[in-house]
Amino acid sequence: GQQLNQSPQSMFIQEGEDVSMNCTSSSIFNTWLWYKQDPGEGPVLLIALYKAGELTSNGRLTAQFGITRKDSFLNISASIPSDVGIYFCAGSRTGNQFYFGTGTSLTVIP
Amino acid sequence: NAGVTQTPKFQVLKTGQSMTLQCAQDMNHEYMSWYRQDPGMGLRLIHYSVGAGITDQGEVPNGYNVSRSTTEDFPLRLLSAAPSQTSVYFCASSYSLRNYGYTFGSGTRLTVV
Repeated sequence: GQQLNQSPQSMFIQEGEDVSMNCTSSSIFNTWLWYKQDPGEGPVLLIALYKAGELTSNGRLTAQFGITRKDSFLNISASIPSDVGIYFCAGSRTGNQFYFGTGTSLTVIP
Repeated sequence: NAGVTQTPKFQVLKTGQSMTLQCAQDMNHEYMSWYRQDPGMGLRLIHYSVGAGITDQGEVPNGYNVSRSTTEDFPLRLLSAAPSQTSVYFCASSYSLRNYGYTFGSGTRLTVV
């Protein structure tokens, strides 16, 4: 199957700090998605990206579709305790199948 | 509007038993999928459907069957449960994958002993 590598695997940050995480693929994707998962729940879509170089924001979250189309980045500004969770990237070539990364676990220390 | 509903939430099976995980959505979504989530491995696609009567295999289809007789329902059948199928299973649906991504259910935690 398709391998998506997310880094870092986990992060421990102070409340108010900015967060950066990224996702790389061995293949070119046409769509990148970023999801957040809270404990015991399914992932929730945060941001969707559709073309190389695209930069999209959703409140304090900003994501970018890498120029090579093999990577994507997610930034969270001024983190707050409710940002805690696991963040997943997902990519697709065809739109019918999305491949997910292994996740970045974020802990925000008040 | 209930979104994506999965039942049961928890299940324990003995090796060799069969069961069906239920998934229903009330959003008139064409696309539906089943993923499994294992520690350190993210979510892996088992089967997916692009509409009623149409299904296809994902990354890890072995040991699972699906059917899509209606737009609303997409059940996942485990034919003969194995310990390797211990996982959290998520059903997801979408009106337009490219534009909206998936809406996920809250998951079914399955343990096979």
